[in-house]
Amino acid sequence: NAGVTQTPKFQVLKTGQSMTLQCAQDMNHNSMYWYRQDPGMGLRLIYYSASEGTTDKGEVPNGYNVSRLNKREFSLRLESAAPSQTSVYFCASSELGRGQAKNIQYFGAGTRLSVL
Amino acid sequence: AQKVTQAQTEISVVEKEDVTLDCVYETRDTTYYLFWYKQPPSGELVFLIRRNSFDEQNEISGRYSWNFQKSTSSFNFTITASQVVDSAVYFCALSEARDSWGKLQFGAGTQVVVTP
Repeated sequence: NAGVTQTPKFQVLKTGQSMTLQCAQDMNHNSMYWYRQDPGMGLRLIYYSASEGTTDKGEVPNGYNVSRLNKREFSLRLESAAPSQTSVYFCASSELGRGQAKNIQYFGAGTRLSVL
Repeated sequence: AQKVTQAQTEISVVEKEDVTLDCVYETRDTTYYLFWYKQPPSGELVFLIRRNSFDEQNEISGRYSWNFQKSTSSFNFTITASQVVDSAVYFCALSEARDSWGKLQFGAGTQVVVTP
């Protein structure tokens, strides 16, 4: 059981380049999320998708776009990378609702991105 | 405004000592969840525990225990008889009903260093 899989694990970009971070989950979860982690700031939500076909902005959406391709996959795109987007990016998924197993977010291993 | 505050940036202990991590949260919702996640040096985030706002019963699970006090808006986490493998960054997080449970708001994290 792979859980949440992110690709790539590492990436170096030059300012202005574009790239897409991929995320897939095999837990049949409805909801998926993208976070960035910067030193001393914990994780901050970039975008999330409560269910297939919907996406919403989180705390720090500027400079990013997302696509919920299907129930399993949720991608994050940087159209024109900037040094301020150097960070570690995490994808997560969960099943929303009331109940014991609900609302727990399970995370991928992260993508370490450097923008020069 | 920061909704989850982890005032301790780093805690260093010697193996077998107990470690208590503080977490103070802020919410106007009466219904919410609180979480602890662990991030070992390998980088992935591991779910440890979730508590809902209606369950103030404290719990012990092996060497881990939690102290949830609504009166002081605190959700503290204790590792008893620490081991080197407990060395990690620990994050406290809040999920509120107003956000349909979807958004996790993280504290800045507490680095725990356990030395032999």
